Amino acid sequence: GAVVSQHPSWVICKSGTSVKIECRSLDFQATTMFWYRQFPKQSLMLMATSNEGSKATYEQGVEKDKFLINHASLTLSTLTVTSAHPEDSSFYICSAPGTLNTEAFFGQGTRLTVV
Amino acid sequence: AQSVSQHNHHVILSEAASLELGCNYSYGGTVNLFWYVQYPGQHLQLLLKYFSGDPLVKGIKGFEAEFIKSKFSFNLRKPSVQWSDTAEYFCAVNALGQNFVFGPGTRLSVLP
Repeated sequence: GAVVSQHPSWVICKSGTSVKIECRSLDFQATTMFWYRQFPKQSLMLMATSNEGSKATYEQGVEKDKFLINHASLTLSTLTVTSAHPEDSSFYICSAPGTLNTEAFFGQGTRLTVV
Repeated sequence: AQSVSQHNHHVILSEAASLELGCNYSYGGTVNLFWYVQYPGQHLQLLLKYFSGDPLVKGIKGFEAEFIKSKFSFNLRKPSVQWSDTAEYFCAVNALGQNFVFGPGTRLSVLP
C-alpha cells in the first residue's frame, strides 16, 4: 500500500513555542490530507482537511489560527501548533486518502508534549 | 451525520480464545466499512475493508468481519487470538467522497 511518513514521531516543547509536524506521501500524490488528534483512550478526531493549493477546511471547534495547516505541494502537508500549551499535548496523526477515498493511509503519528 | 459505536472499551482474552468486536454505524446511505488496528507504538494499519459484494470479508492475520446491513453492523472476528493481537482496534466508515468517521476504539489485551 501507499506510504505516508510523518515527522517527528515525538516532540517536547515549552509552553508558548510553536511546533511544526510534517506529513509526506512518499510514493503517491495527495491533493488532500487529513489531520487527526487522538486523546488517550479515545478515538481519532478529525481536526482539518488539508487541500493542496488552497485553504484547509477546519472542523467545528478547531482553532484555525492555532493549528496552522499548509499544503504547499502534492506530497507535503504541515501542521503547526502555534503558541502551544499543555492542553495541546496529544497524539497527532495525518492521513491521505486512497483512490476515491476508499482507503486511508496513515502516518506514524506525532506525540506532542508541551511542558 | 455519520457516527460509529463500538460495543466494548476493553476486552481481555486468553490466547486461543475466540474474538468478536462489535461495531455499529449510523448512516442512511451507502457506506464503506473498515477495521483498523493500532499496535502499541505503531501507526494505524488496515485490517480489512468492505465496499460491496460478499458481506463476509477476510482480512490480514486471520481476521474477518461480517457486514449485516439490516443491523448496521460490521463486527470483527477471529477464531483464535494470539498474544501478538494485543492492540487497539478501530472501526471506521465513510461514504463516497466524505471523510472517515472512526469509532472510539476497543482495546484488546491477550494474556499469554
